This record gives sequence, structure tokens and C-alpha cells, in this order.
Amino acid sequence: GAGVSQTPSNKVTEKGKYVELRCDPISGHTALYWYRQSLGQGPEFLIYFQGTGAADDSGLPNDRFFAVRPEGSVSTLKIQRTERGDSAVYLCASSPRTSGVRTDTQYFGPGTRLTVL
Amino acid sequence: GQQLNQSPQSMFIQEGEDVSMNCTSSSIFNTWLWYKQDPGEGPVLLIALYKAGELTSNGRLTAQFGITRKDSFLNISASIPSDVGIYFCAGQPYIQGAQKLVFGQGTRLTINP
Repeated sequence: GAGVSQTPSNKVTEKGKYVELRCDPISGHTALYWYRQSLGQGPEFLIYFQGTGAADDSGLPNDRFFAVRPEGSVSTLKIQRTERGDSAVYLCASSPRTSGVRTDTQYFGPGTRLTVL
Repeated sequence: GQQLNQSPQSMFIQEGEDVSMNCTSSSIFNTWLWYKQDPGEGPVLLIALYKAGELTSNGRLTAQFGITRKDSFLNISASIPSDVGIYFCAGQPYIQGAQKLVFGQGTRLTINP
């Protein structure tokens, strides 16, 4: 079956530009997560959606970063006025549901490699 | 914020050797997970641990959730070439409703045939 897909796979942009990164979760998964992975580091949590709403956006580094999931399926991560420090791999993950105590398995996509020149 | 300290950062071993890596934290975690990441791919879940003291195996992989809830280890027995990659520990914080994962820095495993 289809896994989590992310587009584009690579994005090169110039400092100050606006970018959008797209995530298509596994069909039927209600929870969706965005992580950022810098070179040589583990993924860092950005934001988590349960359905259409952002249940936890505590990982967004500043107000240049914003994410939406208007219909509870596809999500878009938006970065305004990009900076060179935003260069990283942006990973999306989805899981079937959430419970109050135990986290469901998060299935990761291949990521979008963002390079800001 | 919460951090996981993963060690070693890298390992160079001979095929057939056993591997051990671990993760520690100053905070309590509700769940411990071990992922493997290949180049150009997202992390793939290897083992999930949900109870303090739990010992779980998945083929040649064995992992344990520490009694204090602040540590975990992963062992790989009789390594083979396809075990090459980066291994990450991850934990779910012990906070009601928290679903995010906190990842370690990774252990890069290289195997000499």
C-alpha cells in the first residue's frame, strides 16, 4: 500500500523567498506530524495535527513557520522569508489515531530536502 | 527542552559482530522507540517499548525500556551488511496528551565485510 509521500523531494530557494512543502499521509490516518532534521542530527518535532486542527505546535521555531491541514488529510508546511538556517530535511509522519497515553506508530515519509542559498 | 543522549555516535565493526547502543535522558519518558534511517529515506520503526523494564525482541534486535524510565538500549546480534545505517532512539514525553517524539542524535553503524 502507499506510504507517506512528500513533495517536492528537493527544494532549492534563495534567502528571503517563500516555500511550501506538501505531505500526503497514509489514507485514513488521522494524526499527522512534521519534523525537521538537520545534518547529522535526529529529527526535531515541529507540529502535530489531530484531524484538521493543530494539537501541538510547540516545536515551530518562530512565526515564519506555519502549517495547515484544511481537510484533515494533506498538510502543507509554509515557511516565509526563508533563512540559510532553515536548510534541513523536513520529514512528515502519520499515524492511525492517537490515544491519551500511548502513541501510535508514526510512519515517516522520505522527507523534503530544503536548501536556502 | 528535553534531550536524549545517544551513544556511541558511530561504530565500525566486522560483519558477524554484536552491536550495542544506548540512550539516556534526564526526564522520564512514557514510551521508548528505536528507528533505523537509510540515506534519503525517513526513519523506519524497529522496536517499540511501552512499559518500564520491558525487554522486546524483533529478530536479531533486542531492546529494553529502563526501570527508571530514563534510558533504553538496543542490541543487534550477528550483524550483517544490511544493518548499515543510522539508528535513532526516540521517546514520548511523560506528559498527558503529548504525542510528539523526542529523538537522540543517532548512532551511525558501519560494517566491514
